[in-house]
Amino acid sequence: DAGVTQSPTHLIKTRGQQVTLRCSPKSGHDTVSWYQQALGQGPQFIFQYYEEEERQRGNFPDRFSGHQFPNYSSELNVNALLLGDSALYLCASSPFGDRSTDTQYFGPGTRLTVL
Amino acid sequence: LAKTTQPISMDSYEGQEVNITCSHNNIATNDYITWYQQFPSQGPRFIIQGYKTKVTNEVASLFIPADRKSSTLSLPRVSLSDTAVYYCLVGMGNTPLVFGKGTRLSVIA
Repeated sequence: DAGVTQSPTHLIKTRGQQVTLRCSPKSGHDTVSWYQQALGQGPQFIFQYYEEEERQRGNFPDRFSGHQFPNYSSELNVNALLLGDSALYLCASSPFGDRSTDTQYFGPGTRLTVL
Repeated sequence: LAKTTQPISMDSYEGQEVNITCSHNNIATNDYITWYQQFPSQGPRFIIQGYKTKVTNEVASLFIPADRKSSTLSLPRVSLSDTAVYYCLVGMGNTPLVFGKGTRLSVIA
């Protein structure tokens, strides 16, 4: 049973460019959440997708957008990259249903470096 | 703002039991307590989750007092490979996880 997968593993971009990160959820999961983790900090919630719609959003600018596909996989897009966008981007999947015991499982992350 | 407070760092020798305590004074009635482990440049890994009293799995134990305002993660007989950052979180289901800075555990040979 494959866990959460993310691609690519590493990415280097320059300021002003755009980037797309990809995530495939754990089998049986239909909800995908994205987090940004700066060096030395805990992950910060970006947004969550369910049924191909953004359900919740954290305190991130509109440069951060996403998409969820019918097979539950998801993309995170960041436009007009800034140096401060350099971070580990994490995808987490969970079964939808708002059951208290539902757990979010994380992928290995994509390390984005903006030069 | 993180809903939990944990020590920034801890040191332990190999083979010892390590207890990491987390404070969550404003925990809601429906909230569960979840602990994750994270190695450098990897995603957080789920360790254990509980609501009250004691939960044990093959990796750790979680102790939660009756008032649920704190919890203690217990790692038995740690090894060098347990060196990592440990995060305590409270919440339920698919609500966004609010991470603090976690506890950096260093295991010394």
